[in-house]
Formats: sequence, structure tokens, C-alpha cells
Amino acid sequence: QVQLQESGPGLVKPSETLSLTCTVSGGSISSYYWSWIRQPPGKGLEWIGYIYYSGSTNYNPSLKSRVTISVDTSKNQFSLKLSSVTAADTAVYYCARDTRIVATGMTYNWFDPWGQGTLVTVSS
Amino acid sequence: AIQLTQSPSSLSASVGDRVTITCRASQGISSALAWYQQKPGKAPKLLIYDASSLESGVPSRFSGSGSGTDFTLTISSLQPEDFATYYCQQFNSYPRTFGQGTRLEIK
Repeated sequence: QVQLQESGPGLVKPSETLSLTCTVSGGSISSYYWSWIRQPPGKGLEWIGYIYYSGSTNYNPSLKSRVTISVDTSKNQFSLKLSSVTAADTAVYYCARDTRIVATGMTYNWFDPWGQGTLVTVSS
Repeated sequence: AIQLTQSPSSLSASVGDRVTITCRASQGISSALAWYQQKPGKAPKLLIYDASSLESGVPSRFSGSGSGTDFTLTISSLQPEDFATYYCQQFNSYPRTFGQGTRLEIK
């Protein structure tokens, strides 16, 4: 079955750019949407944005000015860049397949599967 | 952005209890709602999609209902492995948003 794995630095300095990659295994990245979601320690979940395998994106307006999500279909990977980070960006970052199924004229949507998550701490 | 408000924020219950968690949307979202279970240190796990459709492999003691603005997740008979935090999430519009979570604890 499809599995996702996040990778990247666990520590980023304030004002720098956070960079993470999600590697998809057990299936192709093509024909799907892929999202990044984060969770500050002890808090709830926040959707960051998605990318379609073709490269189209949609970002959360709360982060839009600082976020870039890209895809590399040859490597079956997609990536997140978050610029000008502060301590408020400290969180566990998850990648997930943004699954969409069209049936009987309806579109069904959910996040599954998810990666295990990676903690990124913003600190000097 | 659509706000999702879950109640209660935390809940203590015993094994065998029937538990209901509610999720209220700030505007109508049809049935575009999913429920997830999250255990400490783990990624969320999909339980329910389209408000009431049970994900494959999820025990039948979990059920979801509702449409429009009011939704519920019910666990018919709590098992020890069900003690976790539960989140609702809407897929009606962007940005995708989650409820604040309901922590289900052992009484």
C-alpha cells in the first residue's frame, strides 16, 4: 500500500526557510493531490496547502505569503518550503494524500494515508 | 474560512460506554466532513468520510451522522484502544479546516 515519509532538518533558525520533502512509496504520485498539514506541540491540526501532480497548488491564506509546495514526479516526491520562520512555526509537519473520489456525480474527499510526521523546531 | 467547533473538548468515559462527539460548522458544508483518530506521537487515522461513510478496516462501533452544520461521531461501546483525540475536518471549501479536537480519556 502507499506509504509517505517526511524528511528534512529538525531544527531551523528564526527568519530562515524550513524545507521538507515527502517521499511516496508503494504507488505513483501521479493523478493525485498531496497536502501538507502541521500540528504545533499539544495543539490542533492546520492545513498548509496542496499540490496536484501536475503542479497546481492551493495554499492556506494564513500562510500563503510564505509557503511554496512543489512536486518532482520523477522522484515520486513533493516538497514544502516555509520562509521567514518564527517560533510559532514549531510543529510536527505531516504530509498526506489528499484523496478525491468521484462517484455517482459526487466528490468524496479525505486525507489518507499520512506520513508519520516530523518535528521541526524553530530556535536559534 | 469555515470554523469547526467540537464539543466537548475533553471527555472521560469507561470501557463499554457509548460516547458521542459533536462538530458544528460555522456555515453549511453538506456532508463534506471527515473524522480522524489520533493517538499520542502518531499521525491522525481516518475513521469516517462523507460524514457517515466508514473507512475500510475501521470497527463498526464507530459511526458518523449529520449534514449541513451539525455532525456527530458515535462510538457505540468504548474499547481500551479507543482512548485518543478525535478531530473533525471539512472538505467543503478552502482552506481545509479542522475542529480543535476532543480528548477522550479513561474514567
